[in-house]
Formats: sequence, structure tokens, C-alpha cells
Amino acid sequence: AQKVTQAQTEISVVEKEDVTLDCVYETRDTTYYLFWYKQPPSGELVFLIRRNSFDEQNEISGRYSWNFQKSTSSFNFTITASQVVDSAVYFCALSEAGFQKLVFGTGTRLLVSP
Amino acid sequence: GAVVSQHPSWVICKSGTSVKIECRSLDFQATTMFWYRQFPKQSLMLMATSNEGSKATYEQGVEKDKFLINHASLTLSTLTVTSAHPEDSSFYICSARGTYRGLNQPQHFGDGTRLSIL
Repeated sequence: AQKVTQAQTEISVVEKEDVTLDCVYETRDTTYYLFWYKQPPSGELVFLIRRNSFDEQNEISGRYSWNFQKSTSSFNFTITASQVVDSAVYFCALSEAGFQKLVFGTGTRLLVSP
Repeated sequence: GAVVSQHPSWVICKSGTSVKIECRSLDFQATTMFWYRQFPKQSLMLMATSNEGSKATYEQGVEKDKFLINHASLTLSTLTVTSAHPEDSSFYICSARGTYRGLNQPQHFGDGTRLSIL
């Protein structure tokens, strides 16, 4: 069975602080995909990144970076120099090969205060 | 590209009413659509998977007769909440998945529908 764990329920930081959101996953598949989504208060899901299980390269996109480590089954997300607009709920998700159904973690609520 | 439109964005109705939510893929053919449900401050839970032209596959614990799903075309799926009650109030999100050269592509999400039953 597939499972995604986001142990941090809520994180509060002050603007310009760096913050890392943890994601640990479980799967028996050798081919799978990992995702991060942002859900602002308006509710829509904003796609941030997709990673396949064969690509362990870390990725940086502006202030966002992702650290994928198969050895620890983790796919952590770091926001550098956080901003108030980063306040949202962030979901980590997993799908098996063929982009079957997504299994979501419970989400981490990030509050960035000015 | 890969835009999914969900309508309505929000709906408020009386208990006992049936409510229909539409999910459309605007610029691609969605061979598969997924319906998720999200309670306040909780995660998204898959309700059902629908493939165009066939019956939906429901997740364990989801009432088929309560949540009717139709996927009659490659660009439209509908979720009907029949005889809705206050406990059906939730945020419903659809996603659509197409194929490219025979391979499944990632899901694209609609903006969700906030359903409130009085």
C-alpha cells in the first residue's frame, strides 16, 4: 500500500526565514512519482513539482528547492527567504507508474508572518 | 495547456436537493477523471476514478448511489450528490488525465467546488 506522511501539521515562520517541509513516503513500486502541491485559502491546488523515482537530482526553482532521497524515502521541500504569499497548505503526494490515483499526505499548513 | 474547468465554484442548497458538479478538460481529451473530497483542514481523499464510457470505480466506503459519476465524453465528467445532507458539505475537486502516444499523463486539477448543504 502507498502512504505519504507529512509529520508537520503547522509551521509558523517570520518573513525571510527559510523553512523546510518534510515528506516521507511508502511504496512497494519501483516506479513511482512524487508531487508537491500548494493550496492557498481559495482552495485550488497549485502544482509545484513532479519527480519520478529514477531521478534523484535535487531541483531548484527560484526560492523553492526539493531534496529527493530514496535511501530515506523522503522528498522534502524548502522555501528560502519565505514571503507572506507563501502562506498556504502544502501537500506532498505519490502516484504509481502510469499516473494512477494520487495518494496525498495530510498537508502542512505554513503561516508566514510579516 | 492542460486546463481543467470545474463548475460551479460554490453552491449552497437545502437538504434533500441533488447537486451536480461538472468537470471539463478544455484543451485535451481526458480519458480518465478523478473525484476527490476534502473536509475542512484535512487532506484530499479519492472518491472515485472514472474512465470515459465506462462505469466509475469507487473507493472503499464511498456510496455509489449517493455520489453518481458520469463520464460520457472525453472532455466532461459529472458528479451528482443525490439527496444531499449537511454531512455531504465539503470541498470537491476533480482532476483529469489524458494520454500522449499511448502513455498516461499527469493529472490536472480543477479549482474545486465548495458545497454547503443547509
